[in-house]
Amino acid sequence: TQLLEQSPQFLSIQEGENLTVYCNSSSVFSSLQWYRQEPGEGPVLLVTVVTGGEVKKLKRLTFQFGDARKDSSLHITAAQTGDTGLYLCAGADDYKLSFGAGTTVTVRA
Amino acid sequence: KAGVTQTPRYLIKTRGQQVTLSCSPISGHRSVSWYQQTPGQGLQFLFEYFSETQRNKGNFPGRFSGRQFSNSRSEMNVSTLELGDSALYLCASSVVLAGGEQYFGPGTRLTVT
Repeated sequence: TQLLEQSPQFLSIQEGENLTVYCNSSSVFSSLQWYRQEPGEGPVLLVTVVTGGEVKKLKRLTFQFGDARKDSSLHITAAQTGDTGLYLCAGADDYKLSFGAGTTVTVRA
Repeated sequence: KAGVTQTPRYLIKTRGQQVTLSCSPISGHRSVSWYQQTPGQGLQFLFEYFSETQRNKGNFPGRFSGRQFSNSRSEMNVSTLELGDSALYLCASSVVLAGGEQYFGPGTRLTVT
C-alpha cells in the first residue's frame, strides 16, 4: 500500500490542453516534492512545497499544497509535448521521503 | 557542478549471483539514498546513508545492503539474486538527511535471468 496515492495513473491529452494530477495521503508531511522522470533517466526535482495552502508557479506548472499538508496537486496549462513523462510526488517526514506510484502523462502533438 | 553518477548503467546477472552497484553523489552532498523502481511497485526506498552511517532503512530483506565511504561515494550490494530483483536501481544525493530534496542519478538497470 502506497503512503501517497496519485491519480490518475495515466493521462493522455492533446497539446494545448490543460491537466491536473493529484497526490493524496492520510499522513501529514513537513514538505512535499514533485519530480518528473523521463524514460531512461532518473527523476528530476520540479518543486518543493512546505507551507499548508502554499501555491508555487513554475512557468506553465502550478503546484498547490493542501491546507492540512496531506495532499497536493499539479496543474499544467497549455501542455506541450515536452511535458510528457512520469510525474511523482514525494512526502517528507522526519525519517525519509515516501513516493507515490506516479502519473504517466502523455501529451500528443 | 557534476551530477550524480551511477555505474554500471546496465547489468545482467543470473539467479543466485551477487551484484554491487556504485554511486557518486554531487560534490558537497553527504546524504546518499538508494531506491528500487519497478513498474508494479513504483519507487521504493531501500536505505539512506549520511556520514558513512546507515540512518534509515526501507522494508527490504537483508540480502540488500550498502555502505558509504569517507568521500560520500556509496555502494549497494544485493546477494543471492532473485528474478524479482530485476529493476531500475536509483541513487540520489541530498544536502540534508531524511527527506531532503533528492538529486537522482540515471540509475542502473539490473536484469536477473
